Amino acid sequence: DVKVTQSSRYLVKRTGEKVFLECVQDMDHENMFWYRQDPGLGLRLIYFSYDVKMKEKGDIPEGYSVSREKKERFSLILESASTNQTSMYLCASHYAQHSTDTQYFGPGTRLTVL
Amino acid sequence: GESVGLHLPTLSVQEGDNSIINCAYSNSASDYFIWYKQESGKGPQFIIDIRSNMDKRQGQRVTVLLNKTVKHLSLQIAATQPGDSAVYFCAENENTGGFKTIFGAGTRLFVKA
Repeated sequence: DVKVTQSSRYLVKRTGEKVFLECVQDMDHENMFWYRQDPGLGLRLIYFSYDVKMKEKGDIPEGYSVSREKKERFSLILESASTNQTSMYLCASHYAQHSTDTQYFGPGTRLTVL
Repeated sequence: GESVGLHLPTLSVQEGDNSIINCAYSNSASDYFIWYKQESGKGPQFIIDIRSNMDKRQGQRVTVLLNKTVKHLSLQIAATQPGDSAVYFCAENENTGGFKTIFGAGTRLFVKA
C-alpha cells in the first residue's frame, strides 16, 4: 500500500513565523501535491511537483512556496505565516504512469496561526 | 468557472439502509471521476472511480453512477454500517494526468445505530 506521511499532525505558530510542512511518500511516485482544506470549500491545490526540483503553482499559491529536492519528499513553506493560513494541509502523491489518476493522501496537518 | 458541488452537505441514515450521496459537476471536459472517503483525523481515501465512457461501476458495497447528460455523479453505499460514517468527496479530472483535479466540498454521512 502507498504510504504518505506528514511530519506533524498539529502545529501552532505565531503570525510572521516561517513554517515548514514536510511530506514523504514511499512508493516512488513522480507527482506530489499540497492542498489546503477549509470547511465548505473542499480541497484547494496550492502547489504540485511532477519531478525533483520541478514545481507548478496550483490555484492558491500566494503566501506559499515549495521544495522538492528528493523524489520522495515534498515540502510546503509558509515564509511568513498569517492567520488566514490557519487550515488543514493535505499532501498527496500520484503515480504518473498508473492507469488511474487517483491521488494518495497523507493524514493531514492542522495548522493554527495565532 | 468549473466546479464540483454536492447537493447535500449532511446525510443521516439508519444502519442497514442504503445511502446515496450526490454530486454535480460542470466541466464537460472532465473524463475521470473519483469518490473519496475522509474519516475524522485522516486524509481522504480512494473509494471508487469511473471513467466517462462508463455509466456505472460497482465495488464492494459501493456503486458509482455517472450521468453525463445532466453532469451528475452519485455514490451508493449498500447496507450502510457505522464504519461508513465519514465525509465523502467527489472529484473530477480533466485527463491531464491528475494535475487538474477539482474536489467537491464534501458530504458528511452519519449512520444511526
